[in-house]
Amino acid sequence: QSVLTQPPSVSGAPGQRVTISCTGSSSNIGTGYDVHWYQHLPGAAPKLLIYDYNNRPSGVPDRFSGSKSGTSASLAITVLQAEDEADYYCQSYDSSLSGVLFGGGTKLTVL
Amino acid sequence: EVQLVQSGEEVKKPGESLRISCKGFGYSFKNYWITWVRQMPGKGLEWMARIDPSDSDINYSPSFQGHVTISVDRSISTAYLQWSSLKASDTAIYYCARHFPTVAGGLDVWGQGTTVTVSS
Repeated sequence: QSVLTQPPSVSGAPGQRVTISCTGSSSNIGTGYDVHWYQHLPGAAPKLLIYDYNNRPSGVPDRFSGSKSGTSASLAITVLQAEDEADYYCQSYDSSLSGVLFGGGTKLTVL
Repeated sequence: EVQLVQSGEEVKKPGESLRISCKGFGYSFKNYWITWVRQMPGKGLEWMARIDPSDSDINYSPSFQGHVTISVDRSISTAYLQWSSLKASDTAIYYCARHFPTVAGGLDVWGQGTTVTVSS
C-alpha cells in the first residue's frame, strides 16, 4: 500500500485541463523531499515528466506543470491531447521507510 | 545518447535462479545511482532497491530485502538484479533507471524493461 495517495483515475475531453493529486505525509512530501512525476504509456518505459516539483526535462511540453502545497503535490495537464492518455505516477522519498516511494498511479482517460 | 539497455525476456520455473542486467551508455556510470523498479501485471510501479556504482552502497525496500540482490560491475557499466529462488509472484516487468544521486532524486533515464515470467 503506497503512502503517496493518488486518485485511481481522472478523465477530461481534448483541450481541457486536468489535475492529478499526490497526497503524502510529514515523513515524505511534508518534510520537503522533492516530488517527481512520470508518464507511463502502455508497452513503454516510464518517462520523467516533472522533476523537483515543477521542473520539466528538455522535450516535455509546457502543458505539463507541477506544484506543491503542504503534504501534497499536483500535476496539471492543460490542453489535453489524445496522446496524453497514460498512467501517471508521483515519486518521492520517505524518511520513515528510508526509501523511495511511488504513488499508486492514476490512469488518465482522454474522452 | 544516454541510455540504459536491459537484458532480454526470461521464462523460468519456480525455485530457479536468475540474474538480469542493465548496461549504461553515454554517461559516466559511477556518477548516478541505479534504481530497480517492479511492475506486476496490471499493477503500479514499486521501488525495489538502489545502488551507488561508485562505492556499491545499497538501499533495499523492506518489501524486497532478503528476496533479491542487486550489484554492479563498474568496469562494464552494468547493474544486476538477481534472485536465488524465484516464485510465481516474481512474474513482472523489471525496470532499471538512472537515479539522480540524492535519496529523493528523480529517475531521468529508464531501461526498456525486462519481462520475467515464472511458471511451472
